[in-house]
Amino acid sequence: DSGVTQTPKHLITATGQRVTLRCSPRSGDLSVYWYQQSLDQGLQFLIQYYNGEERAKGNILERFSAQQFPDLHSELNLSSLELGDSALYFCASSVSGREHNEQFFGPGTRLTVL
Amino acid sequence: GENVEQHPSTLSVQEGDSAVIKCTYSDSASNYFPWYKQELGKGPQLIIDIRSNVGEKKDQRIAVTLNKTAKHFSLHITETQPEDSAVYFCAASISGNQFYFGTGTSLTVIP
Repeated sequence: DSGVTQTPKHLITATGQRVTLRCSPRSGDLSVYWYQQSLDQGLQFLIQYYNGEERAKGNILERFSAQQFPDLHSELNLSSLELGDSALYFCASSVSGREHNEQFFGPGTRLTVL
Repeated sequence: GENVEQHPSTLSVQEGDSAVIKCTYSDSASNYFPWYKQELGKGPQLIIDIRSNVGEKKDQRIAVTLNKTAKHFSLHITETQPEDSAVYFCAASISGNQFYFGTGTSLTVIP
């Protein structure tokens, strides 16, 4: 158990809908990362937050947005869902987001868009 | 942006043999290179990492080497065991931001 929690574990929805994925980082970790893992594209970095502020942005679509709240939990919002958005979404956390701080991954949320 | 390539995509070895996975990266600014192991149904777990000011790092049966000039780094697992079977990912990062992952290597250790 990494100490990172993600809810829900599974999510099934229809095209065009909007969903919210939630992540609680390990106690004491200030940095949160979001990743998308699909069969054909591997692990794709989406976005990083540090202590409530966006720190780095990767291959995140405009239909996706995220935020980190004062209690450090983070939410990833996916809207106007398409079939291709079906994937595993992972959240990871680290102490400060520096290169020598280990990232701890949560168990993931499996999103299925029908 | 950064591009990380990983080879091979699948690897089968006999128990006790060594396994080597290789990655290349494109952005010379990348300075942190972690390796992750992902077991079925779980999130990736860090197994070893190396920073750009170090050429080699070892932790028991696992070692990582980095060649900054050639922009490649490798994972070496010696005396493989069945529990080493998993998917392994390499990654490159600039100072802990924007991690770019390889496409993964599925390692099978045959008892």
